[in-house]
Amino acid sequence: AAGVIQSPRHLIKEKRETATLKCYPIPRHDTVYWYQQGPGQDPQFLISFYEKMQSDKGSIPDRFSAQQFSDYHSELNMSSLELGDSALYFCASSLPGQGAKNIQYFGAGTRLSVL
Amino acid sequence: AQKITQTQPGMFVQEKEAVTLDCTYDTSDPSYGLFWYKQPSSGEMIFLIYQGSYDQQNATEGRYSLNFQKARKSANLVISASQLGDSAMYFCAMREGLGNFNKFYFGSGTKLNVKP
Repeated sequence: AAGVIQSPRHLIKEKRETATLKCYPIPRHDTVYWYQQGPGQDPQFLISFYEKMQSDKGSIPDRFSAQQFSDYHSELNMSSLELGDSALYFCASSLPGQGAKNIQYFGAGTRLSVL
Repeated sequence: AQKITQTQPGMFVQEKEAVTLDCTYDTSDPSYGLFWYKQPSSGEMIFLIYQGSYDQQNATEGRYSLNFQKARKSANLVISASQLGDSAMYFCAMREGLGNFNKFYFGSGTKLNVKP
């Protein structure tokens, strides 16, 4: 079965550079979520999109932006990177209309290292 | 206040034995879902099991079962017959409400080590 695909898997950037992370949800999943997991920490919600519109926003820095495109894939754009942005970035997707049982299926993550 | 609390940073279990990973949650929403995920050292997050707030029975999925005690607001994961491949980080998560796109709150995780 198709899973959530994230690219790239690994990314190394310098401080103050920009980065773009991509997420391709499972087919027919219309909702995409982004999470950030710092070293030794639990995943923290950043932002989500439902039917190409932002549905919720968490602790996402103003330096970050994201969008969901017409094919439902999503991109997380990160500018003016800081050392503290080094983390594992997860994308998850879910099926519509599941109510409380809205299982989020996660991609393998993009490991971003800012040097 | 923490929405999800996992009080066991690390646990050891002997291969083939059962182990319980604790999770307590805090919400005032009557509708919520509880989830467990496994994160191996490779990093991916693997969905294991789900329990809905209105479910009358404890969820089971193969060797995984969820001990749901609503009054105590606990949702402990039980892994039976532990295998070496079960060694990983385990996260408990919760979503509140019935909306299609409600975010997850994660606990701090429990690192499980299965000894041969």
